[in-house]
Amino acid sequence: TQLLEQSPQFLSIQEGENLTVYCNSSSVFSSLQWYRQEPGEGPVLLVTVVTGGEVKKLKRLTFQFGDARKDSSLHITAAQPGDTGLYLCAGFVSGSARQLTFGSGTQLTVLP
Amino acid sequence: NAGVTQTPKFQVLKTGQSMTLQCAQDMNHNSMYWYRQDPGMGLRLIYYSASEGTTDKGEVPNGYNVSRLNKREFSLRLESAAPSQTSVYFCASRDWGAYEQYFGPGTRLTVT
Repeated sequence: TQLLEQSPQFLSIQEGENLTVYCNSSSVFSSLQWYRQEPGEGPVLLVTVVTGGEVKKLKRLTFQFGDARKDSSLHITAAQPGDTGLYLCAGFVSGSARQLTFGSGTQLTVLP
Repeated sequence: NAGVTQTPKFQVLKTGQSMTLQCAQDMNHNSMYWYRQDPGMGLRLIYYSASEGTTDKGEVPNGYNVSRLNKREFSLRLESAAPSQTSVYFCASRDWGAYEQYFGPGTRLTVT
């Protein structure tokens, strides 16, 4: 059982559509991060959220940290083919700043 | 400034062979990590080194050993490779107090 559950696992949409990816846990996290990974490369950090209820925007991407710090979401508006990739949520469990726990990932494909 | 480098990029081993995966970072980070990535499982922590001279087990340490050679280098050794160790291996580094982990490009290992 994964500590961080991501859904959906796969998502294929048309260019211009909106989408939301979810990251859920029964544990409390001191912070949550979202990474994007392209084929043949390592993950690259998109954003870190640290405060319950926090919302961060990065151009067409909106990230939210749940009030109870147990969940997070990533919303993409007007998706583009360049958004294609594996999206991973990751977090530090409260009280443990040494190990980052990763979700299983969401493979997003945006079709032109 | 190369960031995190890993060698080799690809490797094929026969069951029972041994090998060492090399990782180096030039960002003067204190903490370094080894992960494996398998389809549908996200990244799982094998071992980490919070600082030079220390190493600790992660989620999936069995069958692996590590050496923190100095502040820059952190190697992962497979003493007797098994087909279950077929995976993509990522090294990462992080500075104390920072959230972001920086990842290398990965090593794709196949054990036959």
